[in-house]
Amino acid sequence: AQKITQTQPGMFVQEKEAVTLDCTYDTSDQSYGLFWYKQPSSGEMIFLIYQGSYDEQNATEGRYSLNFQKARKSTNLVISASQLGDSAMYFCAMRVPNYGGSQGNLIFGKGTKLSVKP
Amino acid sequence: DVKVTQSSRYLVKRTGEKVFLECVQDMDHENMFWYRQDPGLGLRLIYFSYDVKMKEKGDIPEGYSVSREKKERFSLILESASTNQTSMYLCASSPGIRDRSNQPQHFGDGTRLSIL
Repeated sequence: AQKITQTQPGMFVQEKEAVTLDCTYDTSDQSYGLFWYKQPSSGEMIFLIYQGSYDEQNATEGRYSLNFQKARKSTNLVISASQLGDSAMYFCAMRVPNYGGSQGNLIFGKGTKLSVKP
Repeated sequence: DVKVTQSSRYLVKRTGEKVFLECVQDMDHENMFWYRQDPGLGLRLIYFSYDVKMKEKGDIPEGYSVSREKKERFSLILESASTNQTSMYLCASSPGIRDRSNQPQHFGDGTRLSIL
């Protein structure tokens, strides 16, 4: 079964430090995509970063990077130099072919609430 | 930038009412989605659409219907609102992914719906 697991309901980090948010996934497909979203308290979902299953390099996007370990089926989000504005819910999601139709819908984890302390 | 606009940020309705949530996207995306989000449950897919006048059930379609008469607009309808439909509703869109599987879904700001 296709599944995304985020085991950390809540995390705290000191401002300017780095933090890692965990995400593991389960799929038997060889081709899939992994996405991370940020949701501030205002509610909008903001796309952060993407990793494809065939990508050889870990994805990076500014202060965001992924620690993609395919054999372990994990794609952890690393936020460097945390800022107060990083306080939000973070969701990991996976797209696999033919889930929910031919174009592949997203499967979301339950999220991790990150709080950045000044 | 992709813009997905939901008609209301906050909405309060009464039990038994027919409720319409509207969503419009401005990027000519083929795909549109409706989710509901509840604490501890993450995002759950209600309905999605890959083309005009086309709709598919997601994981929790009971009590909801949808309409997509135009490519840019996807409406979620609560036929007879109940208190257990009090939730955050999120609309999203994405391009057809056959050649662009790395394309994310783009979300609106969400509608916090309360059914009294």
